[in-house]
Amino acid sequence: GQQLNQSPQSMFIQEGEDVSMNCTSSSIFNTWLWYKQDPGEGPVLLIALYKAGELTSNGRLTAQFGITRKDSFLNISASIPSDVGIYFCAGTNTGNQFYFGTGTSLTVIP
Amino acid sequence: DTAVSQTPKYLVTQMGNDKSIKCEQNLGHDTMYWYKQDSKKFLKIMFSYNNKELIINETVPNRFSPKSPDKAHLNLHINSLELGDSAVYFCASSQRVRGPETQYFGPGTRLLVL
Repeated sequence: GQQLNQSPQSMFIQEGEDVSMNCTSSSIFNTWLWYKQDPGEGPVLLIALYKAGELTSNGRLTAQFGITRKDSFLNISASIPSDVGIYFCAGTNTGNQFYFGTGTSLTVIP
Repeated sequence: DTAVSQTPKYLVTQMGNDKSIKCEQNLGHDTMYWYKQDSKKFLKIMFSYNNKELIINETVPNRFSPKSPDKAHLNLHINSLELGDSAVYFCASSQRVRGPETQYFGPGTRLLVL
């Protein structure tokens, strides 16, 4: 099955710094989702995007649905230690099949 | 009031055994999934059911058999377990009728085959 490319693969940042990660696909999607997975837990939905160009925020998190519909971006402002985890993007067209990114592992150094 | 629940959370078993993992969602969603997450954290879909009907079966060995008794439950039965089956298995559900799609995951079942 298709796998989306996420970058960077991992990030080590100082507490308080801003974080940016992105996700690209070879095909278009009409819905993009961003998840966070804490160690030993299942992925938790952070933000859902339904329209090309859409910019949506959830607290310190902001995600954008790329104009081409082949990419999406997630920004985290003023990182804190509990932001540690693996962030996954996912795209879908039908709602039956969700294609996941390769994940970005975030480490926040206090 | 857990949305998507899975049992057991941990499963340690011998090669060759048969085991089942259960999943239930109380969100009223009409589509449920099974994913496998390997040691590199890649999430790969295995199966998708919509209203108890199989709609996606991604090149999964036929030792894996999903069963959906009703649209709130999707169980996964694995026959003749192999070492390579060791992974974390996630159940998920989504709603695609009358609105945008979103998907919610269960807490995972950590399977270790010895």
